[in-house]
Amino acid sequence: QKEVEQNSGPLSVPEGAIASLNCTYSDRVSQSFFWYRQYSGKSPELIMSIYSNGDKEDGRFTAQLNKASQYVSLLIRDSQPSDSATYLCAVDQTGANNLFFGTGTRLTVIP
Amino acid sequence: DADVTQTPRNRITKTGKRIMLECSQTKGHDRMYWYRQDPGLGLQLIYYSFDVKDINKGEISDGYSVSRQAQAKFSLSLESAIPNQTALYFCATSDPDRAGTGELFFGEGSRLTVL
Repeated sequence: QKEVEQNSGPLSVPEGAIASLNCTYSDRVSQSFFWYRQYSGKSPELIMSIYSNGDKEDGRFTAQLNKASQYVSLLIRDSQPSDSATYLCAVDQTGANNLFFGTGTRLTVIP
Repeated sequence: DADVTQTPRNRITKTGKRIMLECSQTKGHDRMYWYRQDPGLGLQLIYYSFDVKDINKGEISDGYSVSRQAQAKFSLSLESAIPNQTALYFCATSDPDRAGTGELFFGEGSRLTVL
């Protein structure tokens, strides 16, 4: 079983809608959780981090963590075509920035 | 200029050939990583190094070796390339003072095709 699981999509939403991306992880000792965004042909970039249960908001992005359910999600409000990318969930088990990545969910925002 | 530079950016080779992918960085970070990315499999960690004298295997190190020549340089070698090593390879760095932040800085990637 892979450490981090994501629905590979593709996920399509209309412009202005909420996009919901989900991720589950297998190791309960995981400490830190991250979302990376990767545009087509580009390298991944960190967009959100979350460390404790609950929600963390940054602009149009909200990360949600539920450690009991081993579940992480990313909500993108008022989705824009520029949000079209692959979103990678990542988990750090040791706090040393050795990240396990999920397979990524490809999001397309339709104008 | 990019802070994390990978060479070559694209390489086509034949089965059995030895291949080296190089990574150099100007960020001054001690920690360096090699990942491979395959469609549908996401990013998988091959090797990582926390300083010049420290080399560690990642999830999928079989068939690969690495060398940390200096703080700024970390190279990945395929001693005898095989077709299932066809992938996009990323080098990344992180700052040990930022451990736990999940902050990795990726190079632009090296696309390797093994025929």
